[in-house]
Amino acid sequence: GESVGLHLPTLSVQEGDNSIINCAYSNSASDYFIWYKQESGKGPQFIIDIRSNMDKRQGQRVTVLLNKTVKHLSLQIAATQPGDSAVYFCAEDSYNQGGKLIFGQGTELSVKP
Amino acid sequence: DSGVTQTPKHLITATGQRVTLRCSPRSGDLSVYWYQQSLDQGLQFLIHYYNGEERAKGNILERFSAQQFPDLHSELNLSSLELGDSALYFCASSVGAGGQETQYFGPGTRLLVL
Repeated sequence: GESVGLHLPTLSVQEGDNSIINCAYSNSASDYFIWYKQESGKGPQFIIDIRSNMDKRQGQRVTVLLNKTVKHLSLQIAATQPGDSAVYFCAEDSYNQGGKLIFGQGTELSVKP
Repeated sequence: DSGVTQTPKHLITATGQRVTLRCSPRSGDLSVYWYQQSLDQGLQFLIHYYNGEERAKGNILERFSAQQFPDLHSELNLSSLELGDSALYFCASSVGAGGQETQYFGPGTRLLVL
């Protein structure tokens, strides 16, 4: 049917809870993955990345998990805060793609105080 | 603040017109990428320049063109504008030639074609 706009999946959490945002990536040759946060009216902001030779990477309050077998990424945010409310995108890349990031559709995270 | 700058922030124009969007990469970055974000297509890669040379093209329309200048800033030219070109246009930069590099995004240019 005719597209009338992307309907983003929405995750609503209580302040202080942990959040898990999931992403299925498309290209089995992708070997580099990035999570971005986009607040309303702003550009995507880098959060964390992971290469395909790893299955877990931790940052400050964030953890990314990579499951190459099922082509799945997740972003875990600990102790979610109202300032974490935004749309979160995963993006995939590969060495031979030369920087052509392929973005997922995004997930809207809403944090209730 | 990512260090990537884009001008103008907003642009309103009419169908059939031509506009130029400008991007300055982070200091030291040699690659510039352009992306389009629309409501129905999400974030889509348009084109990548590295040190003045075109490196990769996405689904960029023939009405659109870009270039990267010796000072490494880049311009995206959109011509014969149509209503469907209304979107957010983002520029990103990275330090090297791309591939397994973090791309840092600018604040975007919001284009409205009336």
